[in-house]
Amino acid sequence: EVQLVESGGGLVQPGGSLRLSCAASGFTFSFYWMHWVRQVPGKGLVWVSRINSDESITSYADSVKGRFTISRDNAKNTLYLQMNSLRAEDTAVYYCASDVHPYYSYYAMDVWGQGTSVTVSS
Amino acid sequence: QSALTQPASVSGSPGQSITISCTGTSSDVGGYDHVSWYQQHPGKAPKLLIYDVSKRPSGVSDRFSGSKSGNTASLAISGLLAEDETDYYCSSYTNSRTVVFGGGTKLTVL
Repeated sequence: EVQLVESGGGLVQPGGSLRLSCAASGFTFSFYWMHWVRQVPGKGLVWVSRINSDESITSYADSVKGRFTISRDNAKNTLYLQMNSLRAEDTAVYYCASDVHPYYSYYAMDVWGQGTSVTVSS
Repeated sequence: QSALTQPASVSGSPGQSITISCTGTSSDVGGYDHVSWYQQHPGKAPKLLIYDVSKRPSGVSDRFSGSKSGNTASLAISGLLAEDETDYYCSSYTNSRTVVFGGGTKLTVL
């Protein structure tokens, strides 16, 4: 079964850090571009970041640039999102997702995890 | 990057067809064919319905179709079913090498 499972969410104080993980199974993780998307409950989807198969290409939404870092370990079939200098407005459910086809980015997210909740509050 | 513009809500009767619009600019929707559509039921992860304007991933019903004209993309749903009642989002690649989503549209099946 093709599956993505996020972990690492929780409660953190403003200015703090958190690292999210996304474990992939059931497909050749190393072939796919990967994305992080977040959503405040009851609100819309917001794209956060993406990374290509060998980590040579990354991009970020302006709202997280310079604070968040996306990375991956293909040997462990795992995607990461390092989040630093966290703000209240980063509070959301964070989803990881794989692109629709291997090798190229179609900027379309096909397989999604169940999400992990991040709350930034004092 | 501003969110793409979608109507907050649309409605239709069972068996009818509806269209949801998604308006951007020449820097996103109008400039590239990487427009996607997603369906999201409450408490669930989004599901990809359409990518590259009009392509359907395997397993997606052919009742869902996509198109684009200028800076506006559209999702059409034919033969409305009660289970189609939920939220829909569009997204597009942008000239900043990022992705931007629309604000979402709530579909009500009357």
